[in-house]
Amino acid sequence: NAGVTQTPKFRILKIGQSMTLQCAQDMNHNYMYWYRQDPGMGLKLIYYSVGAGITDKGEVPNGYNVSRSTTEDFPLRLELAAPSQTSVYFCASTIGETQYFGPGTRLLVL
Amino acid sequence: GENVEQHPSTLSVQEGDSAVIKCTYSDSASNYFPWYKQELGKRPQLIIDIRSNVGEKKDQRIAVTLNKTAKHFSLHITETQPEDSAVYFCAARFKAAGNKLTFGGGTRVLVKP
Repeated sequence: NAGVTQTPKFRILKIGQSMTLQCAQDMNHNYMYWYRQDPGMGLKLIYYSVGAGITDKGEVPNGYNVSRSTTEDFPLRLELAAPSQTSVYFCASTIGETQYFGPGTRLLVL
Repeated sequence: GENVEQHPSTLSVQEGDSAVIKCTYSDSASNYFPWYKQELGKRPQLIIDIRSNVGEKKDQRIAVTLNKTAKHFSLHITETQPEDSAVYFCAARFKAAGNKLTFGGGTRVLVKP
């Protein structure tokens, strides 16, 4: 049981490039989330999913897209990367009330 | 919308002293309040949580209290140690928002030896 995993750990993107941040969990959790954490700041919800095939926007969805084709995977897509998307991205999953976070992906857009 | 306010933003204490962090929430129907600890460069880790039908919960040196009438909850750390230095986040689950958590802005705690 690996919990919540994320890849890559770190990535540098040029402005305008695209990439997909991967998130997977092996705990059969229905609820999954993507947060971003800017330096020295709190957690902002980007997108979330309540189950396979169902996704919804959080408070900061602009510039991102998600999909949830399986219970295990919840990738986050960045199209046309901008410097404002420089951040640490955390994926999380929940069963019941407890939310578990992945180790994070540090993204630098230059 | 849902809102969680957390104070103070930074807290410096002497080793062995107590630390208290306070959070207020906006939705009186909120029913679950977790606290997370985030060490530098690491993921947030759940350290304690409390549900709306409980007023206080303790786990060794940490405790959380909930005042539903005033819509605030607090984290208490007693006999602080250097390893307690981290950023602490409170959160609230708002019933109207499904199972989502809304996080406070965080408190950076520094325990001085």
